[in-house]
Amino acid sequence: EIVLTQSPATLSLSPGERATLSCRASQSVSSYLAWYQQKPGQAPRLLIHDASNRATGIPARFSGSGSGTDFTLTISSLEPEDFAVYYCQQRSNWPLTFGQGSKLEIK
Amino acid sequence: EVQLLESGGGLVQPGGSLRLSCAASGFTFSSYAMSWVRQAPGEGLEWLSGISGIGGSTYYADSVKGRFTISRDNSKSTLYLQMNSLRAEDTAVYYCAKFKGGSIGYWEHWGQGTLVTVSS
Repeated sequence: EIVLTQSPATLSLSPGERATLSCRASQSVSSYLAWYQQKPGQAPRLLIHDASNRATGIPARFSGSGSGTDFTLTISSLEPEDFAVYYCQQRSNWPLTFGQGSKLEIK
Repeated sequence: EVQLLESGGGLVQPGGSLRLSCAASGFTFSSYAMSWVRQAPGEGLEWLSGISGIGGSTYYADSVKGRFTISRDNSKSTLYLQMNSLRAEDTAVYYCAKFKGGSIGYWEHWGQGTLVTVSS
């Protein structure tokens, strides 16, 4: 099973700042990695797929990068609605796995 | 508009069974692989099971293999998860999710979730 490790566990920032979240895979997943956003009481929302492709309707301030084992989700300028939990997920190998999540909170 | 509506959750005793349903609309159901993902209270996301569009292929996480069965009725645009031998650690919100595109990979649409509580 591929283990995805996200860091940091919690990131405290202010609106307008830049956020950088990391996801490291225990073995190469090529570019088969996605990022999701989840707000309290809501289902996850797909943000980025295949490492760097924004999903439909996702604002341009969200970007993804990386390949192999190291990936990054960047939010260029935080909006109030961006404070949430973010998960990475790989589709390279069965079983499909998620990272443990990174919480982005308002400073 | 894609809609996924789960039902069937509730309180069940350890060792009991429950069947979850997910009614889909707004897309050609038989053309898409589907999946169940769960989230224990205060915890992260866990993929449980997936099924191909025509139902010929099924996939399970080790944590539920042999206890849970995924199935679908394309004539009713409905996905199912039969859960047997339930344990306290199966307590979670269960999400039905539609894969992006025609193949298994990433989840583009999610239901609102249904809560399953396993407790005596």
